[in-house]
Amino acid sequence: EAGVVQSPRYKIIEKKQPVAFWCNPISGHNTLYWYRQNLGQGPELLIRYENEEAVDDSQLPKDRFSAERLKGVDSTLKIQPAELGDSAVYLCASSLRDSPYGYTFGSGTRLTVV
Amino acid sequence: AQSVTQLGSHVSVSEGALVLLRCNYSSSVPPYLFWYVQYPNQGLQLLLKYTSAATLVKGINGFEAEFKKSETSFHLTKPSAHMSDAAEYFCAVGPGAGSYQLTFGKGTKLSVIP
Repeated sequence: EAGVVQSPRYKIIEKKQPVAFWCNPISGHNTLYWYRQNLGQGPELLIRYENEEAVDDSQLPKDRFSAERLKGVDSTLKIQPAELGDSAVYLCASSLRDSPYGYTFGSGTRLTVV
Repeated sequence: AQSVTQLGSHVSVSEGALVLLRCNYSSSVPPYLFWYVQYPNQGLQLLLKYTSAATLVKGINGFEAEFKKSETSFHLTKPSAHMSDAAEYFCAVGPGAGSYQLTFGKGTKLSVIP
């Protein structure tokens, strides 16, 4: 079974440029999460989807961040425009609803804004 | 609100020595507790989880953790460290069985000295 797939693995952009990250969850997992992990910190939730509905986006900076999960499968996370402080690892995770097994994380996208 | 405190941002042990990584949590509801491991440039891998069954939880790679409600702790241990255990370890608390937000600690980087 393929795990959670994220792309790209690495991205370097200049500030004020847009950037997008893509996530393909494990087949059948209806819950999808985007987390941000700053250097030396634990991951922090940005947004959680149940199927195609964003059920928790309270920590998503909506002035520059947006996300979508069309058809309740793949998801994209976009930043426009990027700022220096957005440099971090963006992690996608998925799970079955009410699963006791925790999340499965992807390998993440490391964003560097210069 | 829930929170996790990991004592010690960096722990060094000799190969073959006991590994002890400390985690204390705060939760207003019976917690679900997790330990994840992150190798360099990788996503997070679930080591073990506590979901209100046995208080002593065994995970992968010889790790185990004991839930102590009276101490609000969930420390991670391994009897004998191996070089391949060198990684960053994150403790996390969640309100439910996997489909809700996980709150992570800041992580503990484990170094294993040959």
